[in-house]
Amino acid sequence: GAVVSQHPSWVICKSGTSVKIECRSLDFQATTMFWYRQFPKQSLMLMATSNEGSKATYEQGVEKDKFLINHASLTLSTLTVTSAHPEDSSFYICSANPSDSYRELFFGEGSRLTVL
Amino acid sequence: GESVGLHLPTLSVQEGDNSIINCAYSNSASDYFIWYKQESGKGPQFIIDIRSNMDKRQGQRVTVLLNKTVKHLSLQIAATQPGDSAVYFCAENMGGGFKTIFGAGTRLFVKA
Repeated sequence: GAVVSQHPSWVICKSGTSVKIECRSLDFQATTMFWYRQFPKQSLMLMATSNEGSKATYEQGVEKDKFLINHASLTLSTLTVTSAHPEDSSFYICSANPSDSYRELFFGEGSRLTVL
Repeated sequence: GESVGLHLPTLSVQEGDNSIINCAYSNSASDYFIWYKQESGKGPQFIIDIRSNMDKRQGQRVTVLLNKTVKHLSLQIAATQPGDSAVYFCAENMGGGFKTIFGAGTRLFVKA
């Protein structure tokens, strides 16, 4: 199956700093990637749709200035959590699918962010 | 963001028994449904999918049933094994950019 890779797999940062998480499709091109966040013992919540070469589409209630998304190439999307606070601590997961004809999403392994 | 962000219900089964995990989806316009398995600290893993023009689909040891009348999905796992212990999520795809929304999830415990 298609492989989606995230980096870093975990990160600890101080409150007020910014953290960048990368999502790469390793063996396919993805014009669209999706970013989710997951709190402990809860479901995945869609944050935004990352579109290659254009602005991301954010879900209601997600602050676009806080969660910056850049999709500069067909294999890379980045999520930057700006001025992170402890409440931003979560598991961030990206996903993509290899072709417009498929709808199955392939997920990265997730990035666990802890803000001190 | 959209999600049913509730604490996860739990299903406990004996090894070798069959498991049935249920899910209610929200949008009657959704036309594609997926079951994912998530192990601790990992991303979701695809199990099986079904399109809205079907009411049943079978895979290896798994079966998905779709009841569009009551907007209900179920995942049946035959001869449940310890390795099946995980959290299971149903997800619905609303088309138009393939946005996939996850349901609440169920934690499956398999007792040896």
